Amino acid sequence: AQSVTQLGSHVSVSEGALVLLRCNYSSSVPPYLFWYVQYPNQRLQLLLKYTTGATLVKGINGFEAEFKKSETSFHLTKPSAHMSDAAEYFCAVSEGGGFKTIFGAGTRLFVKA
Amino acid sequence: GAVVSQHPSRVICKSGTSVKIECRSLDFQATTMFWYRQFPKQSLMLMATSNEGSKATYEQGVEKDKFLINHASLTLSTLTVTSAHPEDSSFYICSAFPTSGQETQYFGPGTRLLVL
Repeated sequence: AQSVTQLGSHVSVSEGALVLLRCNYSSSVPPYLFWYVQYPNQRLQLLLKYTTGATLVKGINGFEAEFKKSETSFHLTKPSAHMSDAAEYFCAVSEGGGFKTIFGAGTRLFVKA
Repeated sequence: GAVVSQHPSRVICKSGTSVKIECRSLDFQATTMFWYRQFPKQSLMLMATSNEGSKATYEQGVEKDKFLINHASLTLSTLTVTSAHPEDSSFYICSAFPTSGQETQYFGPGTRLLVL
């Protein structure tokens, strides 16, 4: 069975600071990993995904994540936070090629001026 | 880009009535759609997998007789909440995978259901 754990339900950073949102997963087969973002009153949208190949994946809006199999992690980072990054971020996992996706509990990112 | 719509965006109904929510892929075909439930400030909980032309697959703990799913065509899946009760009040979100084989699912905007 798959599962996703996001460490920290709330993360607050200052504008311009590094953003680090943590995600650990559990999967019995090689996983596909995703980060989604949900802005207030908007639908979920895909930030980035890892399926196979390069373990460092780049997404939209300057975000990137690194798949570390040994640590079963897929942490999301952005070098410099912007006010517009304030949103809810969800890490998700599906079992390699399968469609069924399990979501983490989410991390709300606050960006201070 | 691929767009998924949901109708209605919000609905208020009386306890005991049934409510139908539609999920449409507007510019692509989707053999597989998913239905999620999201409680306030919480994550998405997968309710069921909707497959065109076959019965839906429900997650453990989800009552199939209460949440009826029909995937009538490659662009439409419906979720009917039967005999709704206040505890069914929630945000229901659908997603769709393009039949073309993309590994990305596209989400609808969600439907807020309030049962009085």
